[in-house]
Amino acid sequence: DGGITQSPKYLFRKEGQNVTLSCEQNLNHDAMYWYRQDPGQGLRLIYYSQIVNDFQKGDIAEGYSVSREKKESFPLTVTSAQKNPTAFYLCASSITGSGANVLTFGAGSRLTVL
Amino acid sequence: ILNVEQSPQSLHVQEGDSTNFTCSFPSSNFYALHWYRWETAKSPEALFVMTLNGDEKKKGRISATLNTKEGYSYLYIKGSQPEDSATYLCAPGGYSTLTFGKGTMLLVSP
Repeated sequence: DGGITQSPKYLFRKEGQNVTLSCEQNLNHDAMYWYRQDPGQGLRLIYYSQIVNDFQKGDIAEGYSVSREKKESFPLTVTSAQKNPTAFYLCASSITGSGANVLTFGAGSRLTVL
Repeated sequence: ILNVEQSPQSLHVQEGDSTNFTCSFPSSNFYALHWYRWETAKSPEALFVMTLNGDEKKKGRISATLNTKEGYSYLYIKGSQPEDSATYLCAPGGYSTLTFGKGTMLLVSP
């Protein structure tokens, strides 16, 4: 079955450590996205990529980095510069980067900073 | 960042009730509006994508309308069932990115 796989599901990190969240899709989608969810807030866009080897900052990119070396993969690194990293992170993909294309979401990764 | 308002914030109805939610957004630079259903412990799932003013979409007991000139969309659920319990997200956007509202949490009691 085609879909998006995010790992790990739960992650604990000590302050000052970088951590990388994995996102893999086998849908042959060109575009991929990372969103963050905090209690009482809507999903906020961190980074997105419309094509391999290219990505753009979203609304809250500070303290995060991404890469898009393969079409299937869009890992997100939460760096020590991210001041409040504890959150739920969702990866999504769509056929192309057009806003009219449906997003397919992964199951999410919950990051807790100790 | 668009200012997207969803109302009500939460709603508790009885099985069989019909209900509706509102999504308000700035009408400038509009390209598309998405509705997603997000059940607890699952991934958000797409319901509708609408692009044209006056668009109406239907999926079973759920339907949606779009008014791009005044910047709002309505989601209707006819004869709510317990399995409709979820958070409903709307996301208007420009050509490349979407802005999500905070969602409307629906609880349907048997």
